[in-house]
Amino acid sequence: SAVISQKPSRDICQRGTSLTIQCQVDSQVTMMFWYRQQPGQSLTLIATANQGSEATYESGFVIDKFPISRPNLTFSTLTVSNMSPEDSSIYLCSVEEAGDEQFFGPGTRLTVL
Amino acid sequence: GQQLNQSPQSMFIQEGEDVSMNCTSSSIFNTWLWYKQDPGEGPVLLIALYKAGELTSNGRLTAQFGITRKDSFLNISASIPSDVGIYFCAGQLWGGSNYKLTFGKGTLLTVNP
Repeated sequence: SAVISQKPSRDICQRGTSLTIQCQVDSQVTMMFWYRQQPGQSLTLIATANQGSEATYESGFVIDKFPISRPNLTFSTLTVSNMSPEDSSIYLCSVEEAGDEQFFGPGTRLTVL
Repeated sequence: GQQLNQSPQSMFIQEGEDVSMNCTSSSIFNTWLWYKQDPGEGPVLLIALYKAGELTSNGRLTAQFGITRKDSFLNISASIPSDVGIYFCAGQLWGGSNYKLTFGKGTLLTVNP
């Protein structure tokens, strides 16, 4: 399976600021996804990021709050904008490989004060 | 939207015991996936199921795709301390460009040595 890395692994941010999370894959993939995992909760899909087109957002998530870039087939970024304590979560990227199996990165643990 | 009911929410077992957890849905899925998440890590794919009735093993793990396509179970035999973690089921429904995974709320497994 693809090897996925995320930067930063964790961060503590002040309210009102923005953080950009990077996701790097060691092979070219078509489908990349961004998930949020709130403390003690399950994973919720934020958006699907396809190269060459705008990201597709799930209900409850908007581009102004979570802008996404997908400049090529191995890289994507998610920005958490104008952060509040409610944005404190683990943010995970995943990729889909042959067989419709999704593999996840190690996650970015975000704390907003 | 689709929802998955995963049970039990948590389990405390002795090393060597077998354990079983399951997920049910009000609607069908084309694929069922089982993941394990360790603290501070992203989910790791354990088993993927593609056909109704399919029974698949991966070492001490066995999972089945329910015949109605609305449920799945995961069994772990002869548990060991490193089995500790949170286990998530996820269902995937194919349709156009819809590759979204819907996750259960997770089962927290504790293994007492």
